[in-house]
Amino acid sequence: ELKVEQNPLFLSMQEGKNYTIYCNYSTTSDRLYWYRQDPGKSLESLFVLLSNGAVKQEGRLMASLDTKARLSTLHITAAVHDLSATYFCAVMGAGGTSYGKLTFGQGTILTVHP
Amino acid sequence: IAGITQAPTSQILAAGRRMTLRCTQDMRHNAMYWYRQDLGLGLRLIHYSNTAGTTGKGEVPDGYSVSRANTDDFPLTLASAVPSQTSVYFCASSRHASEGVYNEQFFGPGTRLTVL
Repeated sequence: ELKVEQNPLFLSMQEGKNYTIYCNYSTTSDRLYWYRQDPGKSLESLFVLLSNGAVKQEGRLMASLDTKARLSTLHITAAVHDLSATYFCAVMGAGGTSYGKLTFGQGTILTVHP
Repeated sequence: IAGITQAPTSQILAAGRRMTLRCTQDMRHNAMYWYRQDLGLGLRLIHYSNTAGTTGKGEVPDGYSVSRANTDDFPLTLASAVPSQTSVYFCASSRHASEGVYNEQFFGPGTRLTVL
């Protein structure tokens, strides 16, 4: 059974600082997704990572995937208040009955303050 | 309609009542999904449908049923609601269930359901 764990679950950051959110998963997969959710809103796709070593960047966010370590990171550079949200990683199952389905991490609630 | 719509936006329901949450997409996606979101647990898959006419059970299917009569609609039914089904429900769709490079899932706006 595929399990996905994020840490930290809560992150309070000061504006201008850097930090990393980690996403570990338990079984083989080569597709990992990062989503953002604002309070009371739906999920917005941020990144799709499709292979080992994949790195994608958008603004102050950079995501990477290490399939051998079963680890993805979401790095935040010089945080600003607008980045305050909940961030989810989701891993796509690669075999058996989990094939094609997403398993989500618990989410990381990020708060950026002055 | 653009993307995925869900109805109702929110609902308060007495325990024991039957409730159907509606989901419609206009992207001609083959696959559709229902998730529930609970604090600290992320999103958990309830049921899915890889194509019209087929459905399957996800991680937490008990107490829920779905149907997929056509490509666009994927209703979720609670036959007899219980308080533990209080949650936010998201419908999602993707172009294909397993094919395609991205297989990215797109999410609807959600339905907030409270069962008393």
